[in-house]
Amino acid sequence: EDQVTQSPEALRLQEGESSSLNCSYTVSGLRGLFWYRQDPGKGPEFLFTLYSAGEEKEKERLKATLTKKESFLHITAPKPEDSATYLCAVQAGDSWGKLQFGAGTQVVVTP
Amino acid sequence: EAGVVQSPRYKIIEKKQPVAFWCNPISGHNTLYWYLQNLGQGPELLIRYENEEAVDDSQLPKDRFSAERLKGVDSTLKIQPAELGDSAVYLCASSLDGGSDTQYFGPGTRLTVL
Repeated sequence: EDQVTQSPEALRLQEGESSSLNCSYTVSGLRGLFWYRQDPGKGPEFLFTLYSAGEEKEKERLKATLTKKESFLHITAPKPEDSATYLCAVQAGDSWGKLQFGAGTQVVVTP
Repeated sequence: EAGVVQSPRYKIIEKKQPVAFWCNPISGHNTLYWYLQNLGQGPELLIRYENEEAVDDSQLPKDRFSAERLKGVDSTLKIQPAELGDSAVYLCASSLDGGSDTQYFGPGTRLTVL
């Protein structure tokens, strides 16, 4: 059975204090790994898609990396506006169109 | 470009009452998804449509939940009758096609069943 585990569950950072979020997965043939950001009361907002081990993608202060068993979302010099829940999702090779989400990491960045 | 539109944003009902949620996907997106999100959890897929055909409804509790996507555009998700455990956020998403295409989410409908 496909599984996605995110850690930590919650993370409190000072502004400018860089950190990483982890998404470990077990799937039968990865088609893609997706990162989303979700603000309170809103739907998930797409950030990145990674398809193969070794791939990296960046957007502003965020950088996502992928290995064969896990993905990391690095937040460099975060600002308060980076506060959100970050969700990781995988799509398995035999699950056309279906995303399996982790429970998310809630990030709070204080000034 | 307009995103995925959902209504209502909030709904409070008594248990055993019916409720319906509406979704309008991004223009040109053929694939539409309904997800359920419980507090502190990630979204879980309920049903996926390719145009007007439901191609994956294995997670939809068919005894009380139903969905339709007429003309392959808008979609409605219905619960009848609602139970206390149905309180959650119902998210709609769309993508150009299925497969590994990026799914774009609407703001969701927060349902509270009393």
